[in-house]
Amino acid sequence: GAVVSQHPSRVICKSGTSVKIECRSLDFQATTMFWYRQFPKQSLMLMATSNEGSKATYEQGVEKDKFLINHASLTLSTLTVTSAHPEDSSFYICSAVGTGLRETQYFGPGTRLLVL
Amino acid sequence: GQSLEQPSEVTAVEGAIVQINCTYQTSGFYGLSWYQQHDGGAPTFLSYNALDGLEETGRFSSFLSRSDSYGYLLLQELQMKDSASYFCAVKGGSTLGRLYFGRGTQLTVWP
Repeated sequence: GAVVSQHPSRVICKSGTSVKIECRSLDFQATTMFWYRQFPKQSLMLMATSNEGSKATYEQGVEKDKFLINHASLTLSTLTVTSAHPEDSSFYICSAVGTGLRETQYFGPGTRLLVL
Repeated sequence: GQSLEQPSEVTAVEGAIVQINCTYQTSGFYGLSWYQQHDGGAPTFLSYNALDGLEETGRFSSFLSRSDSYGYLLLQELQMKDSASYFCAVKGGSTLGRLYFGRGTQLTVWP
């Protein structure tokens, strides 16, 4: 099946620093990538939709200057949490959709961010 | 807007059969997906129904009735490792592949 990787899997940082999370589709070209965050025991909350070569589309209430998304190629999208604060601590998950895959979303393993 | 309803919790014993229902209201509909998520892990894809009917994949089956805006995930021969959260998700709207997730159903399988 389609494989999506995410790096790092876990990060602990000090308040005020920026953290970059990479999402890669390993064996297919991702026309679209999605970024989610998830709090414990809750559902996935879509943050933004990312298409290669164009600006990301952010969901209402998500600050685009806070969560920078760059979709550099058909296999790589990055999410940068700028000037992270403790309230940004969460589980961040990316997913990717590729043509020929019935438009199914395949998820990366997630990144657990803890901001001290 | 989009809304999906699924039970918050289900419990069953090993070897049993469990059905997790999902009803939805969406402004656009292309299909219903099911995902499994273990604690601390990412969602894994289980099934996708675009047309009415039953799709079977091993111990898991998924059903869709578009006229009733309803679907379910059927898990047979339950095993302890099936204890997880199960999310239904509707593919709709204009964005390719965009999913709207339900709140998830926590399944606990007892020995």
